[in-house]
Amino acid sequence: AQSVTQLGSHVSVSEGALVLLRCNYSSSVPPYLFWYVQYPNQGLQLLLKYTSAATLVKGINGFEAEFKKSETSFHLTKPSAHMSDAAEYFCAVSSNFGNEKLTFGTGTRLTIIP
Amino acid sequence: DTGVSQNPRHKITKRGQNVTFRCDPISEHNRLYWYRQTLGQGPEFLTYFQNEAQLEKSRLLSDRFSAERPKGSFSTLEIQRTEQGDSAMYLCASSVRQGNTEAFFGQGTRLTVV
Repeated sequence: AQSVTQLGSHVSVSEGALVLLRCNYSSSVPPYLFWYVQYPNQGLQLLLKYTSAATLVKGINGFEAEFKKSETSFHLTKPSAHMSDAAEYFCAVSSNFGNEKLTFGTGTRLTIIP
Repeated sequence: DTGVSQNPRHKITKRGQNVTFRCDPISEHNRLYWYRQTLGQGPEFLTYFQNEAQLEKSRLLSDRFSAERPKGSFSTLEIQRTEQGDSAMYLCASSVRQGNTEAFFGQGTRLTVV
């Protein structure tokens, strides 16, 4: 069984400040990990994915995440927040890259303070 | 736009009525997934198809729910005798079976049962 825990359902940061969204996973097999972003009344857009090739993964819009097996974590970061980053972010895990069902966390709503 | 298309985008129905949603995946994608997302939660897996074969169903998919993909192209999700607890966003995603590709999501169908 696989699961994802996202710490902090709401995170607020000032524009230009560091963004850090936390994700911890549980998996009995080597995991594939994803971060998705969702804007209001929209579907999910993939930000980045971990496929065991490299532990530091760079994604779109300046986001990156680091896979830490010892901590079972896959936190999402961005050095400088932009107003357009305000959205809901979901961490997800699967057992086979892109071809099996995703198990999502409960999400973190990111608010950017001007 | 050749992304995943879902119709309708919004549906309001009275309790006890039947509803049907449609998903048109990206044309070369042979896997299709349905997820349900309730307010404040992450998407939850319902079912998925490879071509026309339904390969897995979640225990969330009660006997009032049925999904089909008759020709391995578009898919329908039907809910019979709707209940207020069925109110949610229903998301469709598609992917290819082989290769390192992720699932692409549609914009969802928001169902409100009154």
